[in-house]
Amino acid sequence: EAQVTQNPRYLITVTGKKLTVTCSQNMNHEYMSWYRQDPGLGLRQIYYSMNVEVTDKGDVPEGYKVSRKEKRNFPLILESPSPNQTSLYFCASSLGGGNSPLHFGNGTRLTVT
Amino acid sequence: QKEVEQDPGPLSVPEGAIVSLNCTYSNSAFQYFMWYRQYSRKGPELLMYTYSSGNKEDGRFTAQVDKSSKYISLFIRDSQPSDSATYLCASPLGFQKLVFGTGTRLLVSP
Repeated sequence: EAQVTQNPRYLITVTGKKLTVTCSQNMNHEYMSWYRQDPGLGLRQIYYSMNVEVTDKGDVPEGYKVSRKEKRNFPLILESPSPNQTSLYFCASSLGGGNSPLHFGNGTRLTVT
Repeated sequence: QKEVEQDPGPLSVPEGAIVSLNCTYSNSAFQYFMWYRQYSRKGPELLMYTYSSGNKEDGRFTAQVDKSSKYISLFIRDSQPSDSATYLCASPLGFQKLVFGTGTRLLVSP
């Protein structure tokens, strides 16, 4: 089954404790991206990657890191989480970005206390 | 001003009603328009996709784009309780990203 898999689904952590949210897709997609979804603000892009070893900032990259060492994986790293990073996070992939339909994972709900 | 605006709702309708969901956009560079549906505790999934002005129909769903007024609509005929979800309009900005509206929550009661 074609899918984007994120883990964990739920995560509660404390300020400053480094964490990684994993994302993997099995569709051989070139493009991958991370979004966060907040009430009243909608989905905002954090980082995106057009291919292996090619990543770039989205609209809200502060406090986040990403890497794309393999085509299928695109982990999101929070080196020192803060409460304002409490949000619902989505990983997505598509064939080529632009008007290619995005396939989303089921989200990771992160709470930072 | 957000590039894509949607009324957050919720929009509550009885089963069988015709539903109209709307977005406005401000960026004239937007050429393609998409509607995503997001169920609770799930990621968004693509529902419909359109490029040109006019209507595009897919079963009970019709997407309408009016580029002259920068207005996008999604109509749902014979709405069902299973249509209860949040509907997001979106448009790609270059190759980098999709710009999303904040979504409209739809509730269809039996």
